[in-house]
Amino acid sequence: GDSVTQTEGQVALSEEDFLTIHCNYSASGYPALFWYVQYPGEGPQFLFRASRDKEKGSSRGFEATYDKGTTSFHLRKASVQESDSAVYYCALGGDTNAYKVIFGKGTHLHVLP
Amino acid sequence: GGIITQTPKFLIGQEGQKLTLKCQQNFNHDTMYWYRQDSGKGLRLIYYSITENDLQKGDLSEGYDASREKKSSFSLTVTSAQKNEMAVFLCASSIVGQGAEQFFGPGTRLTVL
Repeated sequence: GDSVTQTEGQVALSEEDFLTIHCNYSASGYPALFWYVQYPGEGPQFLFRASRDKEKGSSRGFEATYDKGTTSFHLRKASVQESDSAVYYCALGGDTNAYKVIFGKGTHLHVLP
Repeated sequence: GGIITQTPKFLIGQEGQKLTLKCQQNFNHDTMYWYRQDSGKGLRLIYYSITENDLQKGDLSEGYDASREKKSSFSLTVTSAQKNEMAVFLCASSIVGQGAEQFFGPGTRLTVL
């Protein structure tokens, strides 16, 4: 079945560091790919999506490019801030069942001042 | 904008008890979801409802029932609470279709004694 793998469970950075959170997926066809962010005590919030190969999604300085060749959708930000500390989820909406969104296990980002 | 309300915010139950969680949305969205969030395991889909009179099982439906009372509300019942169970239950809604972002409520935190 479809799946999403986030390699890093926790990432610790200093302010102004470059961020990469790795996301790889397994699915047939062209699933929609998403990034969500969750702050403590809140539900996840949609960050952005991409739906076709080479499409770039971006929001709030974060970006990711849909790469069907490497089945990846890695999250990047050039310069993180302490306020970016949160849990980040990669997700996919299957090509065969768009409603069954599958989430990765999440990556907890800690940004130190 | 809209909002998703989940009640109660905290739910404490006893082993074997039947427990009901409620979710209301005022986005006028057709599709609603229930997810379970466990530490280190991400979000797992329990039930979803594509439209008002629809109910679909997710990957984690065993031990749960769901009810879509009307377009704006979606309830989840834990049929028999398991001892020492602790998790956050998240409700979400979206418009119909692939690639649709989901809007999440703040969650109900369940503790079973």
